[in-house]
Formats: sequence, C-alpha cells, structure tokens
Amino acid sequence: GAGVSQSPRYKVAKRGQDVALRCDPISGHVSLFWYQQALGQGPEFLTYFQNEAQLDKSGLPSDRFFAERPEGSVSTLKIQRTQQEDSAVYLCASSTLTATDTQYFGPGTRLTVL
Amino acid sequence: RKEVEQDPGPFNVPEGATVAFNCTYSNSASQSFFWYRQDCRKEPKLLMSVYSSGNEDGRFTAQLNRASQYISLLIRDSKLSDSATYLCVVNLGYMNYGGSQGNLIFGKGTKLSVKP
Repeated sequence: GAGVSQSPRYKVAKRGQDVALRCDPISGHVSLFWYQQALGQGPEFLTYFQNEAQLDKSGLPSDRFFAERPEGSVSTLKIQRTQQEDSAVYLCASSTLTATDTQYFGPGTRLTVL
Repeated sequence: RKEVEQDPGPFNVPEGATVAFNCTYSNSASQSFFWYRQDCRKEPKLLMSVYSSGNEDGRFTAQLNRASQYISLLIRDSKLSDSATYLCVVNLGYMNYGGSQGNLIFGKGTKLSVKP
C-alpha cells in the first residue's frame, strides 16, 4: 500500500518568501507528526496532530511556522518570511493512535533558503 | 545536555566485522526505545524496537539498560548494505491531550561505513 508522501521533494526559496509543504499520511492513520532535520543532526519534533486537532506545537521554532490538518488527513506546514536558518529537511510521519506504534516517515521536503 | 546522546562516528569497518553502537538518554520517564536507520538523503526507517530483555533480529541485537539509561545496538557479520546512519530514538510513550509525549526524540546518529 501507499506510504507517507510529501511534496514538493525539493524547494528553493528566497529569503523572505513564504513556503507551504504538504504531507499525505498513510490512509487511516490518526496521528501525524512534523519533524525538522538540519544537516548532520537527527530529526527534531515540530508539531503533532491527532486527527484534525493540533495537540502539541511546542517544537515550532517561531511564530513564522504554522501547521494545519483541517480534515484530519492531509497536513500542510507553512513557513512565513523564510530565513536561511530554516534550511533543512522537513519530515512528516504518521502512525495509528497508540503512542508506541511505529511512526512511518515520508521522504521529506528539502528546503533551501537563499 | 542533549536528551539522547550517541557517538557520531564515523565507524569504518571491514565486511564481516562486529560493530557496537551505544546511546544514552537523559529522561528517566522514557518508555519506548528504538533504533532507526537512515540512508543518505532518505527518510529514517525503523530498524528495531529495544526492550529491557534484549531482542535480536538476525544479525542485529539491541539492548536496553533502564538503570543506566543506556541503549546499545550490535551488528554482527556486517555487510556493505549496512552502511548508513543509525539513529537512537526514545519516546516518553504516552499521549495526553495537549501533551507531546508521542513524539520521537532522536540522537544525532552514528554513521557506519562498511568497506569491502
């Protein structure tokens, strides 16, 4: 079956531009997570959704970052007024409801801010 | 102090060697533990979960020591295809409304390169 998909796979933005990154989780997965992975680092948690409810956004680095999942399936991570330090791979993961269930990752969106 | 710490390597080993990775975590409330594998420019993929009793999957053995807050991964008879970055991961293991305990906490990863 289909895994987690993300688009675009690559995005180059000029500093100050707004970007929107899309995640399509595995069908039926209740939980959806966004992570940010800088070069040479492990992924770091950004935000978590259970269905359409954003239950935790404690990892979002600034108020320029905004995420939504309005119908409980597809999610969008939006970054306003991008800065060079936003350059990273943005990973989306989905899982069933139980916290210990495996999280399945999408291929990520590689964002480069010039 | 990082929540999950591991030696970044790189570990350069010949084919057939046995290699061990270690990791420590700081939050004693952590309840779930994993090793993920990440190939270059790819997403992390679950390699195996880690239990206190130890668990084995073919050439891979993982061990958890809760008292020392220490996790290990042993790879026996390493293959060229084992070359990757190995990420040590913990999870606080429960979800409350408004809580974040379901998110994974990753180490920086240990890079393994297996040479012919």
